Amino acid sequence: GENVEQHPSTLSVQEGDSAVIKCTYSDSASNYFPWYKQELGKRPQLIIDIRSNVGEKKDQRIAVTLNKTAKHFSLHITETQPEDSAVYFCAASNPEGSNFGNEKLTFGTGTRLTIIP
Amino acid sequence: NAGVTQTPKFQVLKTGQSMTLQCAQDMNHNSMYWYRQDPGMGLRLIYYSASEGTTDKGEVPNGYNVSRLNKREFSLRLESAAPSQTSVYFCASSEAVYGVNIQYFGAGTRLSVL
Repeated sequence: GENVEQHPSTLSVQEGDSAVIKCTYSDSASNYFPWYKQELGKRPQLIIDIRSNVGEKKDQRIAVTLNKTAKHFSLHITETQPEDSAVYFCAASNPEGSNFGNEKLTFGTGTRLTIIP
Repeated sequence: NAGVTQTPKFQVLKTGQSMTLQCAQDMNHNSMYWYRQDPGMGLRLIYYSASEGTTDKGEVPNGYNVSRLNKREFSLRLESAAPSQTSVYFCASSEAVYGVNIQYFGAGTRLSVL
């Protein structure tokens, strides 16, 4: 099965600086890579995702890059703000698989991001 | 449109007691999931249901059972609760369309087993 590793487990950055969170995956068949943000006491929510036929995707201050050869993908947050403080989870899946059960997401263990004012 | 609704929000059990966590979604999604979240462990899949009438084990199924009652509802049962099952439980649903599997999560159930 798929195994997703995420680093670092904690990250503190000054407000206005950039933050980078990295993930690696093991299953070369995985082709969909979402990132979820979980604020304290709240549910995880999707913030950005990328498919394997794309190398980079941006949405305002956040971007995700994917290196299929190396099997790793990263989340980049620029111009960080206090509201970016949260736990971020990466995940991987192969939802195009033809068999039952391929809709599963395998999550990384999370990164607690703290923005220092 | 409420999305994914979980009940209860909080629960305290004694070791050996049983209980059922309820989950319902109103987005007409085929797939539903139960996760547990523990500090430093991320989200671990307990059971999932790719469609009505089907269920399958995830990464940590021991001590749990599930029922996909209909397309909307997916319940998680602890038959004999243990302190190791103290956790936050999240239900999620998704519609796996071509190349994309966006999962929508419920607000979670915080369970303590004493």
